[in-house]
Amino acid sequence: SQQGEEDPQALSIQEGENATMNCSYKTSINNLQWYRQNSGRGLVHLILIRSNEREKHSGRLRVTLDTSKKSSSLLITASRAADTASYFCATSASGGYQKVTFGTGTKLQVIP
Amino acid sequence: DVKVTQSSRYLVKRTGEKVFLECVQDMDHENMFWYRQDPGLGLRLIYFSYDVKMKEKGDIPEGYSVSREKKERFSLILESASTNQTSMYLCASSGWARTDNEQFFGPGTRLTVL
Repeated sequence: SQQGEEDPQALSIQEGENATMNCSYKTSINNLQWYRQNSGRGLVHLILIRSNEREKHSGRLRVTLDTSKKSSSLLITASRAADTASYFCATSASGGYQKVTFGTGTKLQVIP
Repeated sequence: DVKVTQSSRYLVKRTGEKVFLECVQDMDHENMFWYRQDPGLGLRLIYFSYDVKMKEKGDIPEGYSVSREKKERFSLILESASTNQTSMYLCASSGWARTDNEQFFGPGTRLTVL
């Protein structure tokens, strides 16, 4: 069964706006990662947040993690047309360091 | 520049054929993974490998097998392809780390079984 569920399934915004995607998961995790996939291509790792961290930044990306609610959010600030892609969260279960479970993804469209 | 390569971007096979999908990584990673990706279902893990000649079933191993004879190469085998195996297949690798297990992906192979 899927560990992560992203919300919304699809999101359309204007260039320059912020985009927020959410991920919920079911069991205890070691870490949570976010990946981006451009149409028809492989996934690219964006950012990893450990279970003992609450917030992390990388450039225009901000990730939060709330382990009490078993949820995470990815914020992309000042979006660009090049950010158009699908975004996936992936969780690594406690005790299982190498295997990750991916959610179903959020499809983001940034309109120029 | 680190790289995961897959043998084909597009592949068309007939029902009942034996299909080999090859994946090679140049990062000396211990772990390698095969996923399939279908619309609305996200990525689902088929098999993974922690080391040479080691393999573990993922969530959907039925109809597939794998081979890892060398550290850098992980092959996915469809013994007798069926139309429900039409999908995008993604290979990934990761190093052995306790807390940071970032996966590096290949470009994917879009397989069509007729």
